[in-house]
Amino acid sequence: QVQLVQSGAEVRNPGASVKVSCKASGYIFTNYGINWVRQAPGQGLEWMGWVSPQTGKRNYAQRDQGRVIMTTDRSTSTVYMELRSLRSDDTAVYYCARDRVGHIRSDSSDIWGQGTMVTVSS
Amino acid sequence: QSALTQPPSASGSPGQSVTISCTGTSSDVGSYNYVSWYQQHPGKAPKLMIYEVNKRPSGVPDRFSGSKSGNTASLTVSGLQTEDEADYFCSSYAGSDIYVFGTGTKINVL
Repeated sequence: QVQLVQSGAEVRNPGASVKVSCKASGYIFTNYGINWVRQAPGQGLEWMGWVSPQTGKRNYAQRDQGRVIMTTDRSTSTVYMELRSLRSDDTAVYYCARDRVGHIRSDSSDIWGQGTMVTVSS
Repeated sequence: QSALTQPPSASGSPGQSVTISCTGTSSDVGSYNYVSWYQQHPGKAPKLMIYEVNKRPSGVPDRFSGSKSGNTASLTVSGLQTEDEADYFCSSYAGSDIYVFGTGTKINVL
C-alpha cells in the first residue's frame, strides 16, 4: 500500500544538525512532491517546505530559510529533511506528507508519515 | 506568513452539527480556492478531510463539508459522532508556492 515511513526519534544539542528521512513505497516516487510539516508539543501544524523528487525543485517557509535543506534520493525512494543550527524551539514532531495530486504542485497532502520526534536539549 | 485564525475549541452533542471557522487574509484564503482541512487524533498523523474548499477525498464521510466566504473558510461536521472528537486544522495556499496552516480547533463531542 501507499505509505511513507520516517526515521526514528532524535535528540540533539543546541547548535547541532539533524537529518530526518522519509521512505516512500507503493507508488511512483518521482510523480509526487513531498511536504514537510512541523508540530511543536501541544501546538499546531507548521508548513516547512516542499520538494519535488522529479525535478529537485524546492521551496521553504521563510522561518527556516538558510537552515533547512530538503533532498531526494531516487535510488531508494527517500526524501530527507536536514535542519541545522538547532534551537530549543525546534523541538517538535516532524512529518513528511505526499502531495495529493501527482505531476503538479498540489494544494493538500493525502499520505502522511508517522512523524519523527526531534528533541533539542542540552 | 501568519497562521490562519481558528477558534481554540468547539463542542456539540452526538447527532448535532458543529461548524468551525478559519480566517485568513486577502493574500491567502481570500485569493485562492485551495483551502484544505485536516483531522488529527492525539498522537496520530493528520488526515486529509477536505480539499479545494469543499471536496472530500475518497473514504471521508459526507458528514464533513467545507465552504468559503471572503477571507473565511468553514468546516461543518454534521451528525456528530464520538470518533469526530479531534483537532482540526485548516490550510491555505498563500501564493509563491507557500502554504499556511491554521491555529487548530479542538472539537469536543459532549
